[in-house]
Amino acid sequence: ETGVTQSPTHLIKTRGQQVTLRCSSQSGHNTVSWYQQALGQGPQFIFQYYREEENGRGNFPPRFSGLQFPNYSSELNVNALELDDSALYLCASSHLHGYEQYFGPGTRLTVT
Amino acid sequence: DAKTTQPTSMDCAEGRAANLPCNHSTISGNEYVYWYRQIHSQGPQYIIHGLKNNETNEMASLIITEDRKSSTLILPHATLRDTAVYYCIPLSISGNTPLVFGKGTRLSVIA
Repeated sequence: ETGVTQSPTHLIKTRGQQVTLRCSSQSGHNTVSWYQQALGQGPQFIFQYYREEENGRGNFPPRFSGLQFPNYSSELNVNALELDDSALYLCASSHLHGYEQYFGPGTRLTVT
Repeated sequence: DAKTTQPTSMDCAEGRAANLPCNHSTISGNEYVYWYRQIHSQGPQYIIHGLKNNETNEMASLIITEDRKSSTLILPHATLRDTAVYYCIPLSISGNTPLVFGKGTRLSVIA
């Protein structure tokens, strides 16, 4: 059973640029959730995707968008990067009504 | 969403039991209590969850008070690898709501 993987591990972007982060869900899981974790804080929910449709969203602006593909992998896109977007971005996969979410190792984004 | 209160940090000697408390006095009847932990530089990891009965698995035990206003996660024989931030999270029994993380408890297991 393959776990949740994320790429890249780290990246550095400049304010105003756009970034795409990728997540491969655990085998058999049809739901992917994305979280943002600022330094010293707990993860904050960005949005969830189920069968290629957004299925819930946290308090994040529209410049945070996502995609889910037929194989249930997912992308998180952030436009017009701001310094405060610097964080660890985590994705988690699960079954839609499952009780456990399985997290990937995260992508560390630094915006300068 | 139910609010939770956890100690900011705790220490535990290696080999001893670690008892991590959580207050969730506003939890509703249709919310489980979930526990996750996050080891430094890794994604959170599910530990255990329960509704009103005590639960045990290979990682930990969960004791929930009869009034469900608080719970305690017990790591029976803490090891250095248990050093992590532990999060207590009420979660709807529908299983389709996002995890709402607080600041958790930073557990340091000391040799």
